[in-house]
Amino acid sequence: SAVISQKPSRDICQRGTSLTIQCQVDSQVTMMFWYRQQPGQSLTLIATANQGSEATYESGFVIDKFPISRPNLTFSTLTVSNMSPEDSSIYLCSVNNPQYFGPGTRLLVL
Amino acid sequence: AQSVTQPDIHITVSEGASLELRCNYSYGATPYLFWYVQSPGQGLQLLLKYFSGDTLVQGIKGFEAEFKRSQSSFNLRKPSVHWSDAAEYFCAVGPSSGGSYIPTFGRGTSLIVHP
Repeated sequence: SAVISQKPSRDICQRGTSLTIQCQVDSQVTMMFWYRQQPGQSLTLIATANQGSEATYESGFVIDKFPISRPNLTFSTLTVSNMSPEDSSIYLCSVNNPQYFGPGTRLLVL
Repeated sequence: AQSVTQPDIHITVSEGASLELRCNYSYGATPYLFWYVQSPGQGLQLLLKYFSGDTLVQGIKGFEAEFKRSQSSFNLRKPSVHWSDAAEYFCAVGPSSGGSYIPTFGRGTSLIVHP
């Protein structure tokens, strides 16, 4: 099994600002995945992050809006850039997709 | 394209009663199927998964699910619900090929448990 932690657990941000979400795993994994869960909705995959290469983004998500870093095999960050209220969501990271999820970061943009 | 339908947005049951949450999928081949639970303020926890073999799958927390290919269904069941089971439940379907399963999630079913 894998234990995943995320920081911050929640945040309230002003529109136009950026927030970086951290995901830490207790074991080395090749691939990490970032999901978005909009209010009352299901999960949508944002991107897949491999260590040592650029992230692969799903349709509708772009690197300028959601830059991702993957500096090593246990850590990744997702930045939500130039935020608007529509970015208010829960952001979750996942490993050994789709078996293990982090607790999520609850983001509210005012 | 694969898709998942959870026809019930909310389900209300009494504590101790049995539970069945419905999940129907659309996929062109044999799918991988998953059920997750999301408790309030928590991330997703995998309850059970079906890859192949026995179509009745046992999971954690006393849950089970049955894969019925003829009905394209993977319904989640529990014989006796506990108040702590109140949560959001998500069904997901993934491709049965490739090194990592990128699933498609249903919209979720919210389970309310009455004492």
